[in-house]
Amino acid sequence: AQSVTQLGSHVSVSEGALVLLRCNYSSSVPPYLFWYVQYPNQGLQLLLKYTSAATLVKGINGFEAEFKKSETSFHLTKPSAHMSDAAEYFCAVSRASNTGKLIFGQGTTLQVKP
Amino acid sequence: EAGVTQFPSHSVIEKGQTVTLRCDPISGHDNLYWYRRVMGKEIKFLLHFVKESKQDESGMPNNRFLAERTGGTYSTLKVQPAELEDSGVYFCASSRMGGESSPLHFGNGTRLTVT
Repeated sequence: AQSVTQLGSHVSVSEGALVLLRCNYSSSVPPYLFWYVQYPNQGLQLLLKYTSAATLVKGINGFEAEFKKSETSFHLTKPSAHMSDAAEYFCAVSRASNTGKLIFGQGTTLQVKP
Repeated sequence: EAGVTQFPSHSVIEKGQTVTLRCDPISGHDNLYWYRRVMGKEIKFLLHFVKESKQDESGMPNNRFLAERTGGTYSTLKVQPAELEDSGVYFCASSRMGGESSPLHFGNGTRLTVT
């Protein structure tokens, strides 16, 4: 069975500081991993996805994530937070890269302080 | 292109009543998914349509939930009768058929409150 754990339901950073959102997965098959973002009153938007082509994945808005098999992790980072990054972030896993059947983590709300 | 549209955006109903949620996917998207997020919990898969056929309904909680996609275009999700635990945000998502270049597009969700 597959599962996803996001460590920290709320993360607060200062504008310009490093953003680090943690995600660990459990999967009995090679996983496909995703990060989605939800801005207030909007739907989920894909930030980036890992499909085994490269362990360091670059996404939109300056975000990137590194797949570490030994640690079963897929943490999301951004070198310098902007106020506009304030949103809820979801890590998700699936069995295939072309399926929309995702298993989500519980979400992490990112607060960016001026 | 227009995005995935869901309505209503909010619905407040009493326990025992019926509610129907609607999702209009992006035109040409054969895949349509329903997800639900109960307060404080993770987003969970409900079911998957390919065109008008139910491909996977393993996430449907019970037989009070009925999803349809007549004609392979828009989809409805009916809850009858609604219970308190059905409260949450219901998301719809769609994608084209085919591989990794077919990302999932989500709607803004319908917030359902059962009182």
